[in-house]
Amino acid sequence: DQQVKQNSPSLSVQEGRISILNCDYTNSMFDYFLWYKKYPAEGPTFLISISSIKDKNEDGRFTVFLNKSAKHLSLHIVPSQPGDSAVYFCAASAAQTSGSRLTFGEGTQLTVNP
Amino acid sequence: DAEITQSPRHKITETGRQVTLACHQTWNHNNMFWYRQDLGHGLRLIHYSYGVQDTNKGEVSDGYSVSRSNTEDLPLTLESAASSQTSVYFCASSTSSYEQYFGPGTRLTVT
Repeated sequence: DQQVKQNSPSLSVQEGRISILNCDYTNSMFDYFLWYKKYPAEGPTFLISISSIKDKNEDGRFTVFLNKSAKHLSLHIVPSQPGDSAVYFCAASAAQTSGSRLTFGEGTQLTVNP
Repeated sequence: DAEITQSPRHKITETGRQVTLACHQTWNHNNMFWYRQDLGHGLRLIHYSYGVQDTNKGEVSDGYSVSRSNTEDLPLTLESAASSQTSVYFCASSTSSYEQYFGPGTRLTVT
């Protein structure tokens, strides 16, 4: 079963607007969440993370929100730039049961139009 | 600078052949992972290792094996390549934290 789901395969936004990427999870043992960005022909690179003891983490233009009761997290990019066009993966980990292993979602292709 | 490399970057092989994909990291990380990326499935864990002589199966381990004889390398072997193993393969490494550093990937085509 897919424990981490990104239901939107693609998202298109205008430059300067907000991009919101969503992720849902089913495993209540997940206690750490990460977002990765991937450009074509490159490996994923870490973007931002959040612990389950927080509900928000901000790093420059990127903010991740966590709603534990809904088992939902989102990544906000403000303002969006054309260089943000990439595939974004949500990932989760459960320290007690899976150590350092990550479970990834299917990915969302973000396109930022100039 | 520390890095993680994969070789080859592209590989075409025939069904039934044995194939080994190399992964080498100079981060001195204990943890190493192999994933495959397929459309609609994201990144799925094949095998992982938490140190020398330690190997563990991930969610899609059938048909794959790994060995860890030193800290730097975790080669992935496809014992008898199948068309279903056509994919892009990523190696990653990490310390005890959750953040993993990924290699550039190997695109494998099994004909």
